[in-house]
Amino acid sequence: QVTLKESGPVLVKPTETLTLTCTVSGFSLSNARMGVSWIRQPPGKALEWLAHIFSNDEKSYSTSLKSRLTISKDTSKSQVVLTMTNMDPADTATYYCARGYSSVSAAFDIWGQGTMVTVSS
Amino acid sequence: DIQMTQSPSSLSASVGDRVTITCRASQSIGSYLNWYQQKPGKAPKLLMYAASSLQSGVPSRFSGSGSGTDFTLTITSLQPEDFATYYCQQSYSFPWTFGQGTKVEIK
Repeated sequence: QVTLKESGPVLVKPTETLTLTCTVSGFSLSNARMGVSWIRQPPGKALEWLAHIFSNDEKSYSTSLKSRLTISKDTSKSQVVLTMTNMDPADTATYYCARGYSSVSAAFDIWGQGTMVTVSS
Repeated sequence: DIQMTQSPSSLSASVGDRVTITCRASQSIGSYLNWYQQKPGKAPKLLMYAASSLQSGVPSRFSGSGSGTDFTLTITSLQPEDFATYYCQQSYSFPWTFGQGTKVEIK
């Protein structure tokens, strides 16, 4: 069974750095047909794609957030990590990780349950 | 960035109705268009990929069409469990982008 699970702080202060971890099971982060994205959703708003990492460690980022984001992976631990610097209350959202699978046109076929992050002093 | 625009933003429909949601890309994306369904408090679920391919396990009342810049998601005979928000997403080029969502509500 393929699963992804997000973990990280529930509350961060403005200007702090957020670190989120996505732990995957049921597939390998070295599988050339699969990658992992981070996607967020502010309360009551639309989905926003943030970043993606491929099996070969190639990375892509949201244009508007590129300067604040870093995505990385530890294949041996089956983990993908997202860091976002200089957090602001506008970054309050549910953060999801999802698998991008080339066999389904790189669509996100499996999602984590999401983790809610609140930015407040 | 490729902008994805959905219409309508919301709609009211009855069980058994045929529902059509439109997604327009700001430039041609071939068939690299995916559709998701999201229910309150839940993660999105993949419905359609490559514009017209039904994801495994998704009921056949869902269908997708289109290529280039204009795409549609159709639900024939709307069921109670289909009331949700639907998002399109392009996987043609980075940065990947989502539409703003279409909320399907009960009339």
